[in-house]
Amino acid sequence: QVQLQESGPGLVKPSETLSLTCSVSGYSISSGYYWGWIRQPPGKGLEWIGSMYHSGQSYYKSSLRSRVSISVDTSKNQFSLKLSSVTAADTATYYCARMYYSDTTGYYPHFEYWGQGTLVTVSS
Amino acid sequence: SYELTQPLSVSVALGQTARITCGGNNFGSKHVHWYQQKPGQAPVLVIYRDSNRPSGIPERFSGSNSGSTATLTITSAHAGDEADYYCQVWDSSTVVFGGGTRLTVL
Repeated sequence: QVQLQESGPGLVKPSETLSLTCSVSGYSISSGYYWGWIRQPPGKGLEWIGSMYHSGQSYYKSSLRSRVSISVDTSKNQFSLKLSSVTAADTATYYCARMYYSDTTGYYPHFEYWGQGTLVTVSS
Repeated sequence: SYELTQPLSVSVALGQTARITCGGNNFGSKHVHWYQQKPGQAPVLVIYRDSNRPSGIPERFSGSNSGSTATLTITSAHAGDEADYYCQVWDSSTVVFGGGTRLTVL
């Protein structure tokens, strides 16, 4: 069974960099799939941040691209999110997830497995 | 940027059929996926590629895509189906989520 678990600071100061790690068990990241981050501000809907393949191919939400970096560490079977210059608007529950991308019939990106989420608050 | 439109809320009587819609431009060329999110929990994929159910999802959940609107249908609604439901597509190398629909089971 594929399981994902987010970890990282629950409180980040404004203008600093938010850093989170997602540990994956039950599947080797280097075997395939994209690995992504989604966030949800309190009381609001889901917002995709970005997704990365183990070999480095990545996609990011355009409005966040200048501040976001996703990386994969296959040796630790983890992937990470860095979001720079955070403000209160970045306060959210952050989820990591495995993203199915495509097969021989086409492209159907969607998220099959999710972590439980971690709340990150941006405040001084 | 691409937008998906969902009703804010849908109500259904216990045991009846609930239908949650999702709309967007040029929908016919896209495949729609649906997630269920209960309070305090992570989203769960309930329908992928318009009408496919992941293993473990009850047959009561079904999906369709008419080309202009996608619909998540929940037959014989249970109290446990009360949740937020989000549709999602892939557009221009971007994941797009709908705003979400709160399903209330009366």
